Amino acid sequence: GNSVTQMEGPVTLSEEAFLTINCTYTATGYPSLFWYVQYPGEGLQLLLKATKADDKGSNKGFEATYRKETTSFHLEKGSVQVSDSAVYFCALGDYSGNTPLVFGKGTRLSVIA
Amino acid sequence: GAVVSQHPSWVICKSGTSVKIECRSLDFQATTMFWYRQFPKQSLMLMATSNEGSKATYEQGVEKDKFLINHASLTLSTLTVTSAHPEDSSFYICSALNLAVAKNIQYFGAGTRLSVL
Repeated sequence: GNSVTQMEGPVTLSEEAFLTINCTYTATGYPSLFWYVQYPGEGLQLLLKATKADDKGSNKGFEATYRKETTSFHLEKGSVQVSDSAVYFCALGDYSGNTPLVFGKGTRLSVIA
Repeated sequence: GAVVSQHPSWVICKSGTSVKIECRSLDFQATTMFWYRQFPKQSLMLMATSNEGSKATYEQGVEKDKFLINHASLTLSTLTVTSAHPEDSSFYICSALNLAVAKNIQYFGAGTRLSVL
């Protein structure tokens, strides 16, 4: 079945540092890939997505590229801010679009000033 | 973007009582809604899939008689935790999907924190 593996946290960075959170997946067919962010005490918000190979999703300075050859969708940001502190979830959806997303375990990011 | 409202955001109840959580899609019709449960510092665990007008499909290990799901309209799904016990304390999150609008984009509610005393 489909699965998502993302790097274990927590990740602690200083403000303006470069961020990478690794995510790899296993899936049949051509899944869509997502990054969701969860701020403390809140639900999940869609951060970015990519629906086919080589697509790059981007939002709020975050980027992730759908790499079919390495089955990866790593999240990156060039300069993190304290306000980026949150839990980040990588997720996969199948092509039909009508099935629940498969989530990774989440990576907690703490950015210190 | 699409908005999903979840209510209440926080509820404390006594053991043995029932609690109802509402999930509403405010500006779109949700053909499908999902209910998740999240334990502290863990990922989301899918509990059930709810399609409007039909019975919910529960994941293995989720008691359908304990977690009653009703999806009576295209904008509202409810999760009722019946005879709640302390082990039911958790963070419950719903999400809504409309395939005709955006395939595979799930919009999440803000979650409900349930504490059972």
